Amino acid sequence: DAKTTQPPSMDCAEGRAANLPCNHSTISGNEYVYWYRQIHSQGPQYIIHGLKNNETNEMASLIITEDRKSSTLILPHATLRDTAVYYCIVRVFSGNTGKLIFGQGTTLQVKP
Amino acid sequence: DTGVSQNPRHKITKRGQNVTFRCDPISEHNRLYWYRQTLGQGPEFLTYFQNEAQLEKSRLLSDRFSAERPKGSFSTLEIQRTEQGDSAMYLCASGTEYNSPLHFGNGTRLTVT
Repeated sequence: DAKTTQPPSMDCAEGRAANLPCNHSTISGNEYVYWYRQIHSQGPQYIIHGLKNNETNEMASLIITEDRKSSTLILPHATLRDTAVYYCIVRVFSGNTGKLIFGQGTTLQVKP
Repeated sequence: DTGVSQNPRHKITKRGQNVTFRCDPISEHNRLYWYRQTLGQGPEFLTYFQNEAQLEKSRLLSDRFSAERPKGSFSTLEIQRTEQGDSAMYLCASGTEYNSPLHFGNGTRLTVT
């Protein structure tokens, strides 16, 4: 079962920052937060992941609260091509599987 | 790095027929995962391979489903006696070390008529 809670949908104006929240209040100390997105008819695309420190790459920034119970994915300058379903995932490593357990995600609509 | 390749991209079959999908992971990725995704839902985990060993199977993987990864490279997912409820997108993902990101293919969309 998914261990995260995300709003089902969000809108963002093109060129503005998109801030996507995620709650993961039951996260364990050694579990990572991963973000993926999925554009219609494509497979999920990796965005970023982190443990407890904030992370940034060429796609996005990930801000994790100090208690690690929630995080925010930031797309600094959203474009129409960022319209997608965004999944926040707590990665499970029990048994060395390392599988990703997806929830429903947040549908982000970037508007002109 | 050509990414994870899945074939075919689309498959239409009649109920009761058998189908087989293929996944070619990124070269040297020892971890391989199969997922199923139905409309409006997130992907659901089906099974996991580490090299050629199938180490985990979801309860979603009924006895009509079988997956193999014979030489630790490509993998196949077979569905026998397909049912309309099997209609879905079947996704494959691969990865390397512990905690490295998984890379997904663009899936095979199965339609059972």
